[in-house]
Amino acid sequence: SQTIHQWPATLVQPVGSPLSLECTVEGTSNPNLYWYRQAAGRGLQLLFYSVGIGQISSEVPQNLSASRPQDRQFILSSKKLLLSDSGFYLCAWSNGVRQPQHFGDGTRLSIL
Amino acid sequence: GQQLNQSPQSMFIQEGEDVSMNCTSSSIFNTWLWYKQEPGEGPVLLIALYKAGELTSNGRLTAQFGITRKDSFLNISASIPSDVGIYFCAGLLISNSGYALNFGKGTSLLVTP
Repeated sequence: SQTIHQWPATLVQPVGSPLSLECTVEGTSNPNLYWYRQAAGRGLQLLFYSVGIGQISSEVPQNLSASRPQDRQFILSSKKLLLSDSGFYLCAWSNGVRQPQHFGDGTRLSIL
Repeated sequence: GQQLNQSPQSMFIQEGEDVSMNCTSSSIFNTWLWYKQEPGEGPVLLIALYKAGELTSNGRLTAQFGITRKDSFLNISASIPSDVGIYFCAGLLISNSGYALNFGKGTSLLVTP
């Protein structure tokens, strides 16, 4: 069966520091991968999605970037974090855009 | 993206009661999805609906894809305390220009024993 892993679960970073959140999927090949941000326990906002290695689509201009160095690995990064980057970041996968997305357990990011 | 209106925003009910929540949109969707999210965790898929008029059950949960393709509802029968969480609807639209998955703002459900 397919599983998705996100880490870390919780992260506290100072303003201006870099960020790297990692997401990996097991049990499937060539999945679509997604990064979302969720503010205050509501409203998922799609940040990036990828249909293949090296292919990244950005949905919202951000202080963030995404990369997909391997088929089942999706990384969310920032060179310099802002206070407004705080939130709950969720990674998801699907077998194609027509199929339901399945979410990881998320990373709670707090910026000090 | 297309706006999804999910209601009610929150519900506070007693164990054993039935629950109903819905999502509406001014746009049509190809697929409707319902997720449940518990505190500190990611959303978990409950039900996926692929055809207009489709009625699907998952245990005590029942969801329907509206005939107009612009709405969907989720019912929970005989609620229990572990039903507590935030329920999200999501509409998937696929077109020649790409795809879009839009989420409602969630319905927060509290169940008292």
